[in-house]
This record gives sequence, structure tokens and C-alpha cells, in this order.
Amino acid sequence: EAGVTQFPSHSVIEKGQTVTLRCDPISGHDNLYWYRRVMGKEIKFLLHFVKESKQDESGMPNNRFLAERTGGTYSTLKVQPAELEDSGVYFCASSQVGRGFYEQYFGPGTRLTVT
Amino acid sequence: DQQVKQNSPSLSVQEGRISILNCDYTNSMFDYFLWYKKYPAEGPTFLISISSIKDKNEDGRFTVFLNKSAKHLSLHIVPSQPGDSAVYFCAAITQGGSEKLVFGKGTKLTVNP
Repeated sequence: EAGVTQFPSHSVIEKGQTVTLRCDPISGHDNLYWYRRVMGKEIKFLLHFVKESKQDESGMPNNRFLAERTGGTYSTLKVQPAELEDSGVYFCASSQVGRGFYEQYFGPGTRLTVT
Repeated sequence: DQQVKQNSPSLSVQEGRISILNCDYTNSMFDYFLWYKKYPAEGPTFLISISSIKDKNEDGRFTVFLNKSAKHLSLHIVPSQPGDSAVYFCAAITQGGSEKLVFGKGTKLTVNP
């Protein structure tokens, strides 16, 4: 069974540009989560989808971040325009409905560098 | 305001000895705790968890202890192996609430051969 996949693995962009990160959850997982780790700090929750609906977006830092999950399969996270403080590793995780409290499976992350 | 704290950024132990990683939390609403292990360039992988109704959970070489009154948990690895070298994250969650994991900053464990 394929795990959570994320694309790209690494992105370097200039301040003010736009970047779109993609996450493909484990097949059959209706829960999808985005997290971010800024260098040296804790991994922080951004938002949670159940299928295509946003269940919790309390961790989204500001309106420069837009997450979508059309069709309830893969998800994208767009940053527009990117700022220096957006640099970090963005992780996606998925779980089966009802299991999100106990087991979230993480992807390898996308390392975003804003220069 | 950090709700989950791992105060030791790094820990070095000898192969075969015990590794003890510590974690403190401040939010009394947390009732489920998880440890994740992370290798470089990979995502965190689930290691072991414990519910607040228990004080110990064991899985092979890994044991997690929970002291609710002290709001403290620890992960014991016995015996430690070089392959255990990784960053270990403590995470907490409130069952029935939001499914967001609240992580600590992590502790980098190095097991020396």
C-alpha cells in the first residue's frame, strides 16, 4: 500500500511568488491534515479536511494560504504571495475516519525555501 | 505558548543502554499522547501512544510512561540501537475535540555504537 506522497519534495521561490504544494493521502483515507515545521521549532497544525470539507482550519496563519481538496482525494496548499517567514517543511498526513486521534500517517514533507 | 514541551534538544547514549526521552504538557484537556520518530528527509512515523487512563504502555523495546499529576510523560528505549538514532517528537491530542496533534520541538537521539 502506498503511503502519503507529497510533491514537490523541495521548492525554492522568491518572496512575492506563488507556490502550490500537493498531497496525495493513503487510498481510502478521508481525513487529510496539513502541518508545518519552521526550522528548529515544533510541528504545527494548519488544517484538517474530512473528504472535501474543511473540518478545522484554525492553524492557517493568514489569508495568503489557501488549501483545497476538490473531490475529496488529493489536496493542494497554495501560498500567495510567499513571504520569508513561510519557509519551512510542510507535512501532509492522512487517516481513516474515526482514527484521526490515534494514528495519522505522515508524508515526507515539502521543504519550502523563500528567498 | 507551547503546550507540549521537550526541553532536551538532544540526547546521546551508548548502544545497549537505556534512552529516556522526556515530555511535559500544560493543557489538562489532553488525554491521548503519541510519540513519533523522524529520520532526516522523511516524515514523522508513529511509534507508540498512551491514553490518559493508563500510566504505562509497552511495545517491544519501547515503553511510554505517563504521570498525569505531573503532566509528564517519558519514552524509554531499552536496549538502544544505532538505528534508533532519529528525532523523537512527543504529541498530544484531546479525544473528541479537534483532530489536531500538538507537537513538542523534538529531541534528537544519537545512539553510539
